[in-house]
Parts: sequence; structure tokens; C-alpha cells
Amino acid sequence: DIQMTQSPPSLSASVGDRVTITCRASQTISTYLNWYQHKPGKAPELLIYAASSLQSGVPSRFSGSGSGTDFSLTISSLQPEDFATYYCQQSYSTPLTFGGGTKVDIK
Amino acid sequence: EVQLLESGGGLAQPGGSLRLSCATSGFTFGNYAMSWVRQAPGKGLEWVSGMSGGGHTYYADSVKGRFTISRDTSKNTLYLQMNSLRAEDTALYYCAKDHGHWVARDALDIWGQGTRVTVSS
Repeated sequence: DIQMTQSPPSLSASVGDRVTITCRASQTISTYLNWYQHKPGKAPELLIYAASSLQSGVPSRFSGSGSGTDFSLTISSLQPEDFATYYCQQSYSTPLTFGGGTKVDIK
Repeated sequence: EVQLLESGGGLAQPGGSLRLSCATSGFTFGNYAMSWVRQAPGKGLEWVSGMSGGGHTYYADSVKGRFTISRDTSKNTLYLQMNSLRAEDTALYYCAKDHGHWVARDALDIWGQGTRVTVSS
């Protein structure tokens, strides 16, 4: 199975901050990497697919990059509605696997 | 509008069974891969099982041999039959639609609100 390692596990930031979350795969996965946002009591939402493609309806302050084993999600200017937990997920092969999550909270 | 609505969760005893359902609308159900993903209390997301648009099935090692994914295309509904339940199966179970036909090489673009499963004596 492909292991996904996210860092940091949590971070505190202020509105307007630039935030970057990283994700590393245990083997090369090309660009088969997706990012999700998950808020308590809500369904997870797809933000970025294929490493860098913005899902329809997602604000442009979210961006993704990377290929092979190293990936990142960047929020260019953190907004109040962005405080949530973010997960990376590899779709290179089954079983699909998620990173452990990064909780972004208010500083 | 694409909608997914899970049901069937509840309390089960260790060794017991439950069947989850995911009623879908707003898209051509049989053309898309679907997955079940769960979140145990205080933990992250864990993919459980998936079915391709062609009906091929896939499972996490943790549930292989105990859980069975299936669908009824006439009812636009996805199922997860869960047998030999264990305490560690306690979680919120989400149904999710894939971008495309295959379970792998794609993304889960629409998720339901989840149905809660508790395994306890």
C-alpha cells in the first residue's frame, strides 16, 4: 500500500496568512494526488485534483503543486471559512490512501 | 444537482451485521465509480471500498472478506454490507462519487453527509 505523510499535523494561522501544507508519498504516484477540505459535521469537499487542477467552484486562493512523491497545497490568503482539516489522497492505485490530515486553526 | 444520501447506520454488536445504503440522484449512476470512506472518532479519513463504473470491486485490507460493496443501477443506489463487525469499525461512513469511471486514477468529487456506525456490546 502507498503511505501518505502530511505535515504539519496542525498549524495556527491568522486571516490573510499564506499557508502551505505538504504531502509525501511512499512511492512515486505521478500526479495522482488530490486535496480535500473537511469541516466538523460537514461532508469533505474536493479542492484540488491531479495535483494542481482546481475543482469547479473552489476559490482561486487554493493551489496545488508537485509530482512524483512530493506535493503541496497552498492557501494564498487565509479566509475565516478556511479553518478546517485538510487531507491529501493518492489515487494512483488501490487501496486509495489518505494522509493523516492537517488541522488549520485560528492563531 | 448531484446528491448522495446515506442511511442504514446504527448500533451493532461485535460479530454482527449492518447494511449501509447510499441513494444517489442528479447523475448517470452506472457511469461513475463510487466509494465508501469512513472516519473513526478522532481519526482521519480511511478509504474502505470502491466500485468502478463497470462493476469491478476493491477493498481495504482491513475489511476484505467482511464487507461487500454492491449497487442497484435500477434504484441508483450503492450498498455496503458489513459482516463480522468489530469495535474498530465504529465510524462515520461516507459515500462518495468519483470524477470518472475508475476507482483509481481519479478523485472523489461529491460526498454524502455520512451515516454513523457504532459497534459495541
